[in-house]
Amino acid sequence: ETGVTQSPTHLIKTRGQQVTLRCSSQSGHNTVSWYQQALGQGPQFIFQYYREEENGRGNFPPRFSGLQFPNYSSELNVNALELDDSALYLCASSLGGIGFPGELFFGEGSRLTVL
Amino acid sequence: QKEVEQNSGPLSVPEGAIASLNCTYSDRGSQSFFWYRQYSGKSPELIMFIYSNGDKEDGRFTAQLNKASQYVSLLIRDSQPSDSATYLCAVNDPGGYNKLIFGAGTRLAVHP
Repeated sequence: ETGVTQSPTHLIKTRGQQVTLRCSSQSGHNTVSWYQQALGQGPQFIFQYYREEENGRGNFPPRFSGLQFPNYSSELNVNALELDDSALYLCASSLGGIGFPGELFFGEGSRLTVL
Repeated sequence: QKEVEQNSGPLSVPEGAIASLNCTYSDRGSQSFFWYRQYSGKSPELIMFIYSNGDKEDGRFTAQLNKASQYVSLLIRDSQPSDSATYLCAVNDPGGYNKLIFGAGTRLAVHP
């Protein structure tokens, strides 16, 4: 167990709808990253939040947006859902600025199906 | 385009054998290298990380890093059926923040 929790675990939406996914980071971790993992692929970096500010973004369109709250929990919002958005969405927490770069702790993920 | 390449497999090994998983990466600036295990339908689980050239052992697992060749490997000794999973290689993006670049994974099947 990593101490990172995500909700919901599974959800089904239709094309054009909007979705919000939630993540509670491991205690003491101030950095949250979101990844998208399509079937048969490795996780792809969406963006990262550090102390409530977006701190890096991957190659995803603006309809993917996020928030980080003062308690370091985070949300991922996706607007105007497309069929290709169907994937496992992974939240990972880490302690920014300490330790070697890149040590991430993943939650169990939210599996989104877009019909 | 920063890339991490892995053989997709499946890699099939008999129980008790050594499984060897390989990975190459494109960005010479990467400093941290990770192996995650992912069971079907589950999230990735960190099993090994390595930062320095050479070997790092942890139980049945050995990670090997060769920065000159931009090559990382994972050896699993005495493979067990419970090791059957997809193994993801990941390297840090030296672009200035805590971002990992993942390979597509190698599927390992250990048969009794």
